[in-house]
Amino acid sequence: TQLLEQSPQFLSIQEGENLTVYCNSSSVFSSLQWYRQEPGEGPVLLVTVVTGGEVKKLKRLTFQFGDARKDSSLHITAAQPGDTGLYLCAGVLLGSGYALNFGKGTSLLVTP
Amino acid sequence: GAVVSQHPSRVICKSGTSVKIECRSLDFQATTMFWYRQFPKKSLMLMATSNEGSKATYEQGVEKDKFLINHASLTLSTLTVTSAHPEDSSFYICSANPAGGRNEQYFGPGTRLTVT
Repeated sequence: TQLLEQSPQFLSIQEGENLTVYCNSSSVFSSLQWYRQEPGEGPVLLVTVVTGGEVKKLKRLTFQFGDARKDSSLHITAAQPGDTGLYLCAGVLLGSGYALNFGKGTSLLVTP
Repeated sequence: GAVVSQHPSRVICKSGTSVKIECRSLDFQATTMFWYRQFPKKSLMLMATSNEGSKATYEQGVEKDKFLINHASLTLSTLTVTSAHPEDSSFYICSANPAGGRNEQYFGPGTRLTVT
């Protein structure tokens, strides 16, 4: 069972465009993380959100945690080729300990 | 801070042999470490949760006798793939949760296992 539905799975855009990646669930999470992974490397933590309605910004990346802590989004403004990679959302179910539940990932390609 | 290393980064072995992969937290202590498997262009699949000083907890469908996990210290967990077969070829990634910290996991760089 896929607890976190991540969309879109694939995204190919041109440099300068904006994009949003969504992670949705019917379950409540105590925290949710976004990772970026390059081929042949481990995921790198971008952000952790823990409070419902929380918004965090990391340069051109904006992360939002839903009010009910069931969903999250990642918005990239003016995408650049260096943003290319696999973006993964992962959450810790409320009351479940530390195990992360991953979405299927969004493979982003930004062309010059 | 929060650096996790894995060794080896790549390994090629013959069918029937065993391979050990190490996961170390370099600048923090981790009471809990996790082992994942990842297929090309797919997300991470949790294999097991490794707890320091106790037995690992395996996810459904993961054979504990085939994937031996040892978490001997607060900075080291090992995964041994026993009697490896070609279908075990994959990208194995570990992560560590800092003791006393939030529910954040820091990932190692991964180990590419190829079984011939």
